[in-house]
Amino acid sequence: DTGVSQDPRHKITKRGQNVTFRCDPISEHNRLYWYRQTLGQGPEFLTYFQNEAQLEKSRLLSDRFSAERPKGSFSTLEIQRTEQGDSAMYLCASSNRLSSSYEQYFGPGTRLTVT
Amino acid sequence: AQSVTQPDIHITVSEGASLELRCNYSYGATPYLFWYVQSPGQGLQLLLKYFSGDTLVQGIKGFEAEFKRSQSSFNLRKPSVHWSDAAEYFCAVAESNFGNEKLTFGTGTRLTIIP
Repeated sequence: DTGVSQDPRHKITKRGQNVTFRCDPISEHNRLYWYRQTLGQGPEFLTYFQNEAQLEKSRLLSDRFSAERPKGSFSTLEIQRTEQGDSAMYLCASSNRLSSSYEQYFGPGTRLTVT
Repeated sequence: AQSVTQPDIHITVSEGASLELRCNYSYGATPYLFWYVQSPGQGLQLLLKYFSGDTLVQGIKGFEAEFKRSQSSFNLRKPSVHWSDAAEYFCAVAESNFGNEKLTFGTGTRLTIIP
């Protein structure tokens, strides 16, 4: 068990460019969550998957954001036409729905800076 | 919708002193409550959780928290802090509606330890 991993750890992009982040959950975990954390705030829920199905999206997730989890394994979060307001830490977490503990295990995050 | 309030943005304590971080939640049903710690450059690490049963829960690193339904609180405590406890602490509540355990976080409390 190597934990949740995210790639890249840091991304600097210019406004208007597209970016894609990857999250690899703990292998036996069937749920995967994306959160966004801005400076001085707690993480805010964006979306989550159970296996390959995206079951809920937050209103924070504008049309420029899209997330996928093909085959119920890793997930990608893409932001199109980035804006300066997208600058944040993007956190991924996974959990095992079959477990009664409801614990979410977080990755180290991807810090996005839009210039 | 549920919400979490952490009224203290920043707390400074001396090494060896006791610590209490406050957390108040708003949620209609029985909440699932969590405390996470985030160190610089690190992901969120779960300290402890409460689902039901004994209202005093023990966690890792010598932390404990007490659930008080009458006060809608879930305060985190440690009898004697260590310099390594300096970090950001987040209280969170899980929405258990239809089995979606997405987390709602507070804004966090930054803990500084002075020698």
